[in-house]
Amino acid sequence: DIPMTQSPSSLSASVGDRVTITCRASQSVYSYLNWYQHKPGKAPKLLIYGASSLQSGVPLRFSGSGSGTEFTLTIESLQPEDFATYYCQESYSHPDYTFGQGTKLEIK
Amino acid sequence: EVQVVESGGGLIQPGGSLRLSCAASGFTVSSTYMNWVRQAPGKGLEWVSVTHVDGRTDFADSVKGRFIISRDNSRNTLYLQMNSLRVVDTAVYYCARGYTGSNFDAFDVWGQGTMVTVSS
Repeated sequence: DIPMTQSPSSLSASVGDRVTITCRASQSVYSYLNWYQHKPGKAPKLLIYGASSLQSGVPLRFSGSGSGTEFTLTIESLQPEDFATYYCQESYSHPDYTFGQGTKLEIK
Repeated sequence: EVQVVESGGGLIQPGGSLRLSCAASGFTVSSTYMNWVRQAPGKGLEWVSVTHVDGRTDFADSVKGRFIISRDNSRNTLYLQMNSLRVVDTAVYYCARGYTGSNFDAFDVWGQGTMVTVSS
């Protein structure tokens, strides 16, 4: 597997803020990087696949960038429903697609 | 509507067995690869197992030799047979559909999960 490291582990922000979460891979995963949003008691939700492609139905305020070993998820103008835990996932080292440890986004 | 619904979780003693089910609707489980992912209390997401379109299966090292993944195409259902359960297997277990393309691979449909508690 390929260890993935997210930063920060937690983040406090206000509605309307711009937020960036970083994910680093221990080796290149090219563009095989996905981002998920997870709320307690709910199904995880795919936000971004292939490092920068927005999943259908996901608001445009979410965007992803990066390639190789460093990736970012950016949320423009935070909305109340965005407060959740976010995970990156590499999908290069088939089949063991490792997740990052998560970033908990909380309301300031 | 495309969705998956997990069931079968519960409280089980160490060493016991449990079978989880994942009923799919809006698509066929045989048309793509299907996964199980788990989340232990207070922890992050951990991939557990996959079954591919051609029937090949793979497992995380932590469950290899103890868990079996299968699907019943006639019922459009994915299963996870969990044997020799350990306390560390305690988690919410999610079923997730594989979504693949020429330069990406992701899990695009997830269920809400089923809780498995292994405790004496």
